[in-house]
Amino acid sequence: GAVVSQHPSRVICKSGTSVKIECRSLDFQATTMFWYRQFPKQSLMLMATSNEGSKATYEQGVEKDKFLINHASLTLSTLTVTSAHPEDSSFYICSANIRRLAVLRETQYFGPGTRLLVL
Amino acid sequence: GEDVEQSLFLSVREGDSSVINCTYTDSSSTYLYWYKQEPGAGLQLLTYIFSNMDMKQDQRLTVLLNKKDKHLSLRIADTQTGDSAIYFCAENYEDSSYKLIFGSGTRLLVRP
Repeated sequence: GAVVSQHPSRVICKSGTSVKIECRSLDFQATTMFWYRQFPKQSLMLMATSNEGSKATYEQGVEKDKFLINHASLTLSTLTVTSAHPEDSSFYICSANIRRLAVLRETQYFGPGTRLLVL
Repeated sequence: GEDVEQSLFLSVREGDSSVINCTYTDSSSTYLYWYKQEPGAGLQLLTYIFSNMDMKQDQRLTVLLNKKDKHLSLRIADTQTGDSAIYFCAENYEDSSYKLIFGSGTRLLVRP
């Protein structure tokens, strides 16, 4: 099956620093990549939709200046949490879409997640 | 707005069947999905069903869709301890972003 990787898997940083998380599709080109945030024992909340070569579309309530998304290629999207604070501590998960022309269906494959702890 | 709801917790004995339920609100959903999340990990796609289908079976997994009641269920036959995880149902919207809306997740505990 399709593989999506995230790096780093865990990161601990001091309050006020910026953290970059990478999401890569390893064996396919992704039409679109998505960034989610998951708090403990809660569901995934979509933060933004990222298309290669264009600006990300952010969900309501997500600060685009706080969570910078760069989608440089069809296999790489990055999420930068700028000036991180303890309330930004969370599990961040990316996913990538494969367009299957045969069945005309988009399938999302998820990365393993990045756990961010801001002290 | 869109809303997907699930019961929070289910406990079953090993070897029994598990049934996880989900209700959704958007009748225009084209695909509905079931994902599995193990502790500290990302999501694994288990199965999906197209909205014009009533049932789909894939080995131990059976998905039932009642479009009239907007009710989706996942049945796991012969549940094993390795099936213990959180299960999310999700709707897929046929807009330009193809984004997924997730339910709250059902934590399945399989007792030996």
